[in-house]
Amino acid sequence: GQQVMQIPQYQHVQEGEDFTTYCNSSTTLSNIQWYKQRPGGHPVFLIQLVKSGEVKKQKRLTFQFGEAKKNSSLHITATQTTDVGTYFCAGYNQGGKLIFGQGTELSVKP
Amino acid sequence: DTAVSQTPKYLVTQMGNDKSIKCEQNLGHDTMYWYKQDSKKFLKIMFSYNNKELIINETVPNRFSPKSPDKAHLNLHINSLELGDSAVYFCASSPSGGYSYNEQFFGPGTRLTVL
Repeated sequence: GQQVMQIPQYQHVQEGEDFTTYCNSSTTLSNIQWYKQRPGGHPVFLIQLVKSGEVKKQKRLTFQFGEAKKNSSLHITATQTTDVGTYFCAGYNQGGKLIFGQGTELSVKP
Repeated sequence: DTAVSQTPKYLVTQMGNDKSIKCEQNLGHDTMYWYKQDSKKFLKIMFSYNNKELIINETVPNRFSPKSPDKAHLNLHINSLELGDSAVYFCASSPSGGYSYNEQFFGPGTRLTVL
């Protein structure tokens, strides 16, 4: 079945450093979604990318969807302690199921 | 004004017991889901209902039985609880049919611990 792989699993950064997490699917995706889960919290939708090569920005966050629609990335510029949490990518398969990557847990040292 | 709510937030129980988790959404969404998040934070879908009809039924033990009395509610009943059932269970909802690519809104989660 479809697999969504995400790396790295963990990332520890100093406040102010940049952070990137990468997502790869075994099959072409119709779209890619990104969620953030704060420690002890629940996943919260951040953004959805639909078009090949699409790039979207939300303040310090930049999201990209690959040309082949099989990979995506989330880049955070100048991390802050409020960025702490686990970032998940997710894509719908043909059966209508949202398949999540394993997540990247980001910790930020002040 | 909570969008997706779940009860209870914590559930500690003995092996072999039967327990239920309740979920309600006030967003007017048609589709609701149950996810299991294990200790490594891996999120896996278990069930999905669209307008009270079961549309996704993953390979989960038949000890797990979802029920949707109306499109705003989706409950999860678990029989004969096992140690491996310990996890965080999230309810979620999305705006339209199960095969539309919409964002999902998650509830706060129920942390189930089986002793």
